[in-house]
Amino acid sequence: EAQVTQNPRYLITVTGKKLTVTCSQNMNHEYMSWYRQDPGLGLRQIYYSMNVEVTDKGDVPEGYKVSRKEKRNFPLILESPSPNQTSLYFCASSLGRGNQPQHFGDGTRLSIL
Amino acid sequence: GQQLNQSPQSMFIQEGEDVSMNCTSSSIFNTWLWYKQDPGEGPVLLIALYKAGELTSNGRLTAQFGITRKDSFLNISASIPSDVGIYFCAGQSSIPGNTPLVFGKGTRLSVIA
Repeated sequence: EAQVTQNPRYLITVTGKKLTVTCSQNMNHEYMSWYRQDPGLGLRQIYYSMNVEVTDKGDVPEGYKVSRKEKRNFPLILESPSPNQTSLYFCASSLGRGNQPQHFGDGTRLSIL
Repeated sequence: GQQLNQSPQSMFIQEGEDVSMNCTSSSIFNTWLWYKQDPGEGPVLLIALYKAGELTSNGRLTAQFGITRKDSFLNISASIPSDVGIYFCAGQSSIPGNTPLVFGKGTRLSVIA
């Protein structure tokens, strides 16, 4: 089954404790991206990747890092999480360039205390 | 970054009624996408539009890519309870390159049986 898998689905942690949210897709998609969703603000793009070893900032990249060492994986790294990064995070992938329909994972709810 | 104005923010309708929502942008887009998000899940693609003036249907859903390339509309005919959810528009600008997808803030649809 074609899917985008995120882990963990839920995480409660404390300020400053490094964390990584993994994202994996099994569709051989070139394009992958991360979004955060906050009430009243909709979905905002954090980072995206057009292909292996190619990453670019989205609209809200501050406080986040990503890597794309393999085509299927696109982890989101919070080196020193802060409470304002409490949010619902979605990973997405698409076949080609960013204008292709994106398939979303089921989300990761992060709470930073 | 770019923003999309999506309206209405929320709607309460009777089962069987038709629904219309729209998105506008101050800049030109060459792609419009419409997604639906159910509680606790990631957005799911409903309709993708790639050409100005394009009208595309998916069951009871119909979406149009505005002639000016600055707007898009989604219509749902004969609504049913499972139409409940948040509908998002998303667009990508016509500027070539790695331009990210921009999302509207969503329209929350409630259907009264």
